[in-house]
Amino acid sequence: ETGVTQSPTHLIKTRGQQVTLRCSSQSGHNTVSWYQQALGQGPQFIFQYYREEENGRGNFPPRFSGLQFPNYSSELNVNALELDDSALYLCASSSWSYGYTFGSGTRLTVV
Amino acid sequence: SQQGEEDPQALSIQEGENATMNCSYKTSINNLQWYRQNSGRGLVHLILIRSNEREKHSGRLRVTLDTSKKSSSLLITASRAADTASYFCATVFNAGGTSYGKLTFGQGTILTVHP
Repeated sequence: ETGVTQSPTHLIKTRGQQVTLRCSSQSGHNTVSWYQQALGQGPQFIFQYYREEENGRGNFPPRFSGLQFPNYSSELNVNALELDDSALYLCASSSWSYGYTFGSGTRLTVV
Repeated sequence: SQQGEEDPQALSIQEGENATMNCSYKTSINNLQWYRQNSGRGLVHLILIRSNEREKHSGRLRVTLDTSKKSSSLLITASRAADTASYFCATVFNAGGTSYGKLTFGQGTILTVHP
């Protein structure tokens, strides 16, 4: 059973809207990272937070932003949604880069 | 962009047979990891092999790593219907030993094990 919880599990939004996805990290893990997985593809790295600061970012525009809280939980915010943002969003927590625990993901559909 | 390619893209076998999946990557790595994903849900970590290791075992799983060829393979022995899933390799490169170590995934192999 995974120690990382993501909410909501499914979400439908309209193009141009904003969305916030949430992730609780596994106990003892101080690093959280987010990934986007389009249908039939491997996950793509969005960004990583360590001790409440972003310390790595993939090739995603600034309208993808995030937060990490003192309890190491995290949010992913996406502004001005586009149809191509439809994907499974995965959160992973880790205590070092060698061990990752993934949540079950949030399926976002943009219409 | 993806780190590399996985081969085959899809694999269909009978229960009891062995399944072998291959992964190639392009850059230097600190470690390589294999994950399983059932029906588009979350990723489950299977095994990690460090760049100075050549082979690793975990239960019915055997992973090899050839850094000179920038390739890895995952062998699942005596497969079961419950092994049906997508399998992904992911590489990690930590420049300067920082805590920043993103996973770079391949495209995945879809494994179907028939009862």
